Amino acid sequence: DIQMTQSPSTLSASVGDRVTITCRASQSISTSLAWYQQKPGKAPKLLIYKASSLESGVPSRFSGSGSGTEFTLTISSLQPDDFATYYCQQYNTYEGIFGQGTKVEI
Amino acid sequence: QVQLVESGGGLVKPGGSLRLSCAASGFTFSDYYMSWIRQAPGKGLEWVSYMSSSGSVIYYADSVRGRFTISRDNTKNSVFLQMKSLRGEDTAVYYCATKGTIVAAPCHQWGQGTLVTVSS
Repeated sequence: DIQMTQSPSTLSASVGDRVTITCRASQSISTSLAWYQQKPGKAPKLLIYKASSLESGVPSRFSGSGSGTEFTLTISSLQPDDFATYYCQQYNTYEGIFGQGTKVEI
Repeated sequence: QVQLVESGGGLVKPGGSLRLSCAASGFTFSDYYMSWIRQAPGKGLEWVSYMSSSGSVIYYADSVRGRFTISRDNTKNSVFLQMKSLRGEDTAVYYCATKGTIVAAPCHQWGQGTLVTVSS
């Protein structure tokens, strides 16, 4: 089974900061990786798919990169609305395994 | 716009059964793979199952295989999750989500979730 490992688990940042979250796959998943944002009590929201494609309606301060086993989600200038938990998910195999999440907090 | 509305959650005793429903609208339901994902209280996301647009391809996570059954009714734009032999560790918010028109796709749209609590 593929394992997805995110780092860090928690990230403290301030408005305006550049933030980077890393996701590592235990084996190559090409670019079959998505990033989601989840706020407390809400459903996850797709931000990035195919490692670097921005979902429609998502602000351009979000970007994704990587291929194979290492991926990053970058928020270029953190906004108050961005404090949330972020998850990566691989969909290269039938198991849609998620990373454990990264909480971005003040 | 795309809307997914889950229902059927509630409190059930260990060993019991529950059937979740997800009503879809705003898109051509019969073209899309559909997925169930769950989230235990205070925990991360766990993929549970998905079904192809025609129903011919089905996958389950190891943790639910043999106990949960996914199905869909394309005439009613709905997907279902029949859950049997429920355990405490099945307690979670269950989300349905669209998975795209091919198997290798992320979950673009999500419902608001329905809470399942397994407790005596």
